[in-house]
Amino acid sequence: TQLLEQSPQFLSIQEGENLTVYCNSSSVFSSLQWYRQEPGEGPVLLVTVVTGGEVKKLKRLTFQFGDARKDSSLHITAAQPGDTGLYLCAGGSNYKLTFGKGTLLTVNP
Amino acid sequence: GAVVSQHPSWVICKSGTSVKIECRSLDFQATTMFWYRQFPKQSLMLMATSNEGSKATYEQGVEKDKFLINHASLTLSTLTVTSAHPEDSSFYICSAIQSIRGYTFGSGTRLTVV
Repeated sequence: TQLLEQSPQFLSIQEGENLTVYCNSSSVFSSLQWYRQEPGEGPVLLVTVVTGGEVKKLKRLTFQFGDARKDSSLHITAAQPGDTGLYLCAGGSNYKLTFGKGTLLTVNP
Repeated sequence: GAVVSQHPSWVICKSGTSVKIECRSLDFQATTMFWYRQFPKQSLMLMATSNEGSKATYEQGVEKDKFLINHASLTLSTLTVTSAHPEDSSFYICSAIQSIRGYTFGSGTRLTVV
């Protein structure tokens, strides 16, 4: 069974601060995805990374995929209250997604 | 873009009754759909993989007779929670895949069993 360890599990910060969320596994994934989920809604895809060492930027969000394709990080610069939500990493293998436990981010004004 | 519609968005049912949840791919054909369960402030747990025209593949610990999955067409998969009990109350989410990089999720169904 492939497992994804995500940390931290909870994060509460002030507006304007930076933060990093980590996603680690002992398994290699063919792709890794990051999602953001609002309460009562399904997850919304933020990014997919497939190449070891890949870095993708989405406005204030920077995503990295480890060289060995076993880990990833999400860095948010100058967090805003609108960034509040549950951030989930998910590893893809054989058409199935394995989700990390999620990071519940709260950005306080 | 790919859209997955899930219905109903919420349902309340009495203990012992059955509830059907629908998952439709609106603008693409999905030979494979996935059903997840999510408890409050927790991550998504894969319940089963729904394959069009064949039996679903259930994850370890998921009762196939309890959670009936039917994928009769390329755009519709249904999950029926049979003889529901309060412990089945949860947030159920489906997703469909267009390619290995393209998963789209439904908006979820909040099931409350009273």
